[in-house]
Amino acid sequence: SAVISQKPSRDICQRGTSLTIQCQVDSQVTMMFWYRQQPGQSLTLIATANQGSEATYESGFVIDKFPISRPNLTFSTLTVSNMSPEDSSIYLCSVVIMTSGRTDTQYFGPGTRLTVL
Amino acid sequence: GESVGLHLPTLSVQEGDNSIINCAYSNSASDYFIWYKQESGKGPQFIIDIRSNMDKRQGQRVTVLLNKTVKHLSLQIAATQPGDSAVYFCPVPRTNAGKSTFGDGTTLTVKP
Repeated sequence: SAVISQKPSRDICQRGTSLTIQCQVDSQVTMMFWYRQQPGQSLTLIATANQGSEATYESGFVIDKFPISRPNLTFSTLTVSNMSPEDSSIYLCSVVIMTSGRTDTQYFGPGTRLTVL
Repeated sequence: GESVGLHLPTLSVQEGDNSIINCAYSNSASDYFIWYKQESGKGPQFIIDIRSNMDKRQGQRVTVLLNKTVKHLSLQIAATQPGDSAVYFCPVPRTNAGKSTFGDGTTLTVKP
């Protein structure tokens, strides 16, 4: 398994500002993802964070709004830019680890709870 | 595309009873399944997994059953405890590992 930490764990931000969320993993991982979970909803994949290249965004998410960095195999950041109340969500970092039996298992960080006023 | 459906959005059980949470999937090519538990204010936590060459796998107090014929998964929790109260997900993996499709989950409430 993997130990994933996120900073901050929660924040309350003003409309129009930006927040950068950090994700740190205790081992080198190839695949790292960012998800959003709006209140009472399921998880939605925002993007795949690629090490050494631009992130791959899912439909409905764009780099200008959610810039992502992945400088190495243990760390990534997600920025939520020009925030509005609709961005109030839990943002989750996720990694895939190759487990025994050559199975890829997905693990999640504790999440960052963002409230935009 | 894939779809994930949980039969019941909510399930309420008495402490000590057994719980069964069901999940249906549509992609017959799926060969690996994971159940996650998400407690309030936390990220999803891996509970148990099963590969498509198995039809049953047991963990501590949890059992996952897989019926590939009808594309159905179930998670059984024995002697349910208040700490089992959470939302349970059975995402269906897409072709790339990790890019799972999450359904709405089943909210399990355990009554004392």
